[in-house]
Amino acid sequence: DAGVIQSPRHEVTEMGQEVTLRCKPISGHNSLFWYRQTMMRGLELLIYFNNNVPIDDSGMPEDRFSAKMPNASFSTLKIQPSEPRDSAVYFCASSLGTGLTGELFFGEGSRLTVL
Amino acid sequence: GENVEQHPSTLSVQEGDSAVIKCTYSDSASNYFPWYKQELGKGPQLIIDIRSNVGEKKDQRIAVTLNKTAKHFSLHITETQPEDSAVYFCAASTGNQFYFGTGTSLTVIP
Repeated sequence: DAGVIQSPRHEVTEMGQEVTLRCKPISGHNSLFWYRQTMMRGLELLIYFNNNVPIDDSGMPEDRFSAKMPNASFSTLKIQPSEPRDSAVYFCASSLGTGLTGELFFGEGSRLTVL
Repeated sequence: GENVEQHPSTLSVQEGDSAVIKCTYSDSASNYFPWYKQELGKGPQLIIDIRSNVGEKKDQRIAVTLNKTAKHFSLHITETQPEDSAVYFCAASTGNQFYFGTGTSLTVIP
């Protein structure tokens, strides 16, 4: 298996622009997680889905952030409008079951820079 | 909610020495404690985990210990090698919520 696939790997954009990050989980996994990593705040859970349904989105910073999982093999995280403080590495992870008591498989991340 | 504290934030050891990273948690309902290793430019990867019905688990040079009474757990790496240099994260899960520690940057000096 190719593992969790994220795109783009790097994104540089200007403040106010829309950013869309994409994730393809491992086939057969039914939980998907979006994390944000910064030096200041470490790894923060933004949202997670189980069987394509959002279970906990309490980590989503504000209305500028939205996430969708239209099917079991694809998810997006959108930021509109983007701000410099959104600069971070965004990770997608997938797992079997609920994922909260088993291994999380992370993608290689999308590094976002907002100028 | 759960609060996971991790120490130290940075750790340097000579090759061949042991490294120990410690974490504490606050929610007594936590029952799953994984450790992840993150190499530069990559996502975190699970290296070992322990569940609350076990006090210690070993996998070659890596071991994890859990003290449920004191609410702390530790990662032990013996005979460290340069390829062990990375950031290590502990985590605690209640089954409903999952929290990562703040990370320890380990440098193994050849």
